[in-house]
Amino acid sequence: AQSVTQLGSHVSVSEGALVLLRCNYSSSVPPYLFWYVQYPNQGLQLLLKYTTGATLVKGINGFEAEFKKSETSFHLTKPSAHMSDAAEYFCAVKMDSSYKLIFGSGTRLLVRP
Amino acid sequence: EAGVAQSPRYKIIEKRQSVAFWCNPISGHATLYWYQQILGQGPKLLIQFQNNGVVDDSQLPKDRFSAERLKGVDSTLKIQPAKLEDSAVYLCASSLDPGSNQPQHFGDGTRLSIL
Repeated sequence: AQSVTQLGSHVSVSEGALVLLRCNYSSSVPPYLFWYVQYPNQGLQLLLKYTTGATLVKGINGFEAEFKKSETSFHLTKPSAHMSDAAEYFCAVKMDSSYKLIFGSGTRLLVRP
Repeated sequence: EAGVAQSPRYKIIEKRQSVAFWCNPISGHATLYWYQQILGQGPKLLIQFQNNGVVDDSQLPKDRFSAERLKGVDSTLKIQPAKLEDSAVYLCASSLDPGSNQPQHFGDGTRLSIL
């Protein structure tokens, strides 16, 4: 069965610093991969997705993620953190066979002034 | 376009009481999902509808949870009777279809507290 592991339940960075949120998945076939962001008391908003094609995917708010099949990873990055980036981030995987979206446990990003 | 609408936003009930949540998906979206998000965890799929038919309800606790999507648009999720462990945020999402490259659009959720 497929699963998603997000390393680090909390990540703290200074404003202007690089943001790196880690996501690894387990799957016997290449899955479809998503990153969602959740602000307090709100639902999830899609940041970016990988389905096929280019392995470096650009999303909203300056975020990007790279699909690395050999490492079964889909880490999320942003060159320079803003205070407004403070939120919870979820990595998710979907398989063609089931269409079910499986979420990781989330990483809370804290941005220090 | 209008997003996924959910109500109520917050609900507090005592254990063994019943509660219902409502969801109105984005217009034209055939697929509707209900998720349970327990504090500190990622959302977990409870049930998935394709139009008004159930596609997947394998993780729905059917002894106490029920859901319907009459006419293939709005949906309601009911819990009867509620238990303490049902305290969570209940998220509704919709997508054009269940296809692998179709993103799911989420509502703001209903935060349920069981006393």
